[in-house]
Amino acid sequence: NAGVTQTPKFRVLKTGQSMTLLCAQDMNHEYMYWYRQDPGMGLRLIHYSVGEGTTAKGEVPDGYNVSRLKKQNFLLGLESAAPSQTSVYFCASGRGSYNSPLHFGNGTRLTVT
Amino acid sequence: QKEVEQDPGPLSVPEGAIVSLNCTYSNSAFQYFMWYRQYSRKGPELLMYTYSSGNKEDGRFTAQVDKSSKYISLFIRDSQPSDSATYLCAMTSREGGSEKLVFGKGTKLTVNP
Repeated sequence: NAGVTQTPKFRVLKTGQSMTLLCAQDMNHEYMYWYRQDPGMGLRLIHYSVGEGTTAKGEVPDGYNVSRLKKQNFLLGLESAAPSQTSVYFCASGRGSYNSPLHFGNGTRLTVT
Repeated sequence: QKEVEQDPGPLSVPEGAIVSLNCTYSNSAFQYFMWYRQYSRKGPELLMYTYSSGNKEDGRFTAQVDKSSKYISLFIRDSQPSDSATYLCAMTSREGGSEKLVFGKGTKLTVNP
């Protein structure tokens, strides 16, 4: 099993460009999450989904959109990238109960110039 | 006061040392406590979890929870260079039908050969 796979691994964007980050999981998890991780800030939740066709805002949703058209995929979109969105983005999935752990991908390193 | 506080370090120890990593929290509703390990350029992975106050051992690792003091610890005995990573505490609560997961900001540990 691959677990949680994120593509691409690296990307450089110019300010104002758009892009989509793809997350795929093969564990049949209901819940999926997008986090960003910045030095000194820890993991911050951007958006999450509790099932196919659902999405919800997390702690820092502004400037991002998400879609969960298929259970196994969760897409994170940046419509107009800004330098403040330079970060490492992690996707995670889980069974959704409060006592079940999250499984993380290995991240997408995004630089916006 | 932040819900979860974790000393970011960095922490540098010689091989074979006992390492103590700690988090404090303010919300008494937290019930489930986890430690994630994150190697450089990788996603976090679950290391240990515990529900209750007391100690839980797994090989060289011991997770300790003191709910009365709202304090959790991870001890690493006979530390190895392969233990060099960032360690994140995490905790979950279930209140009023909704569940919350909060991560600490992580402590970077380096074990020197």
